[in-house]
Amino acid sequence: DQQVKQNSPSLSVQEGRISILNCDYTNSMFDYFLWYKKYPAEGPTFLISISSIKDKNEDGRFTVFLNKSAKHLSLHIVPSQPGDSAVYFCAASESNTGNQFYFGTGTSLTVIP
Amino acid sequence: EAGVAQSPRYKIIEKRQSVAFWCNPISGHATLYWYQQILGQGPKLLIQFQNNGVVDDSQLPKDRFSAERLKGVDSTLKIQPAKLEDSAVYLCASSLGQAAYYGYTFGSGTRLTVV
Repeated sequence: DQQVKQNSPSLSVQEGRISILNCDYTNSMFDYFLWYKKYPAEGPTFLISISSIKDKNEDGRFTVFLNKSAKHLSLHIVPSQPGDSAVYFCAASESNTGNQFYFGTGTSLTVIP
Repeated sequence: EAGVAQSPRYKIIEKRQSVAFWCNPISGHATLYWYQQILGQGPKLLIQFQNNGVVDDSQLPKDRFSAERLKGVDSTLKIQPAKLEDSAVYLCASSLGQAAYYGYTFGSGTRLTVV
């Protein structure tokens, strides 16, 4: 049972344009969300987080938006750079019950120079 | 700070053989996780340790998988006997405290191929 879903396996964007990666979740008790970035042959690295008390969090070129009513979050990268080409995973957790994060299946982003 | 160390990076074994993976978390990180990532899927939690105690092993196939974390530091994950469907990347992660607030730091993973 996939509680976190990333329905777009891949995305291609021109350098300098905006990349929008989407993530949906089914468990309304999730209240903390992370985005991870993964390059080939490396482990995932933390990118940005958001808690359910917010609807937006920014860190440089990266912004995460959370729509709790829709159980949807998105990661915006502006402007996109070739070095952003990687697989992006969203993950969700119910902070009250423990530490486990549930991961989506990932979206492979390619930024075309 | 040094990251999460894992070894080996790659392993190829025949089905029904046994294999072990090692993880050294970031110093001071009390919580350690083993995740399995099958190609095309997101990481799936196998087991979570808090210091040297098991917090959650509900998704660990205990008939063939075992894990331990001696002295609350290093951890090993063992598969015996391996099946073809165990082919995956095994990721170790650690966190300072409750991961919901700190997130995980992942190691580079061990890619296991069972033939």
